[in-house]
Amino acid sequence: DTEVTQTPKHLVMGMTNKKSLKCEQHMGHRAMYWYKQKAKKPPELMFVYSYEKLSINESVPSRFSPECPNSSLLNLHLHALQPEDSALYLCASSQETGTLGLSPLHFGNGTRLTVT
Amino acid sequence: GEDVEQSLFLSVREGDSSVINCTYTDSSSTYLYWYKQEPGAGLQLLTYIFSNMDMKQDQRLTVLLNKKDKHLSLRIADTQTGDSAIYFCAEIPSGGYQKVTFGTGTKLQVIP
Repeated sequence: DTEVTQTPKHLVMGMTNKKSLKCEQHMGHRAMYWYKQKAKKPPELMFVYSYEKLSINESVPSRFSPECPNSSLLNLHLHALQPEDSALYLCASSQETGTLGLSPLHFGNGTRLTVT
Repeated sequence: GEDVEQSLFLSVREGDSSVINCTYTDSSSTYLYWYKQEPGAGLQLLTYIFSNMDMKQDQRLTVLLNKKDKHLSLRIADTQTGDSAIYFCAEIPSGGYQKVTFGTGTKLQVIP
């Protein structure tokens, strides 16, 4: 069982729809991440939140909008997506983002997104 | 930038040992990780090694680190069918503590 919970597990949306992906962790972690993973590829970093503030945006198109309402929750708002945005979207958390501590990423099971 | 390289595919018989290799990019990386991804799931942290270590053993898993060659390997002893998955190595490059760089992934197939 993963300690990072993502909902929904699967999502099919049209290019004009607006939807949101949700992620929750109760490990007291202060860093949360969104990754995008295409089939047979490693995860690619999209966003990092550290202490509820956006610290990294990897030049992600504005049709993806992250939100961190509190230290346990992370959302990814989707609008006007393209078919090539279809992928597995993974949320992760870590205790902190500092270099001195061992702070591995803990992943959720992801949301499988299909854009039609 | 450079990729963290792994061979794409490995097939072993149940009960044999598996060795998955990884060539990473940053000799200053402090921690190196191995993750396992089963179909339809996220990535599960298997083990890690700190850069001042050469070897780490954790039950059936042995991690070997050759810093000179920037080479990392994961040995799984007595491989079981439940070990079938994609394995990713990962590094945290120096100065990029929020950016974990994942390897290209190795698909391990265990034949009963």
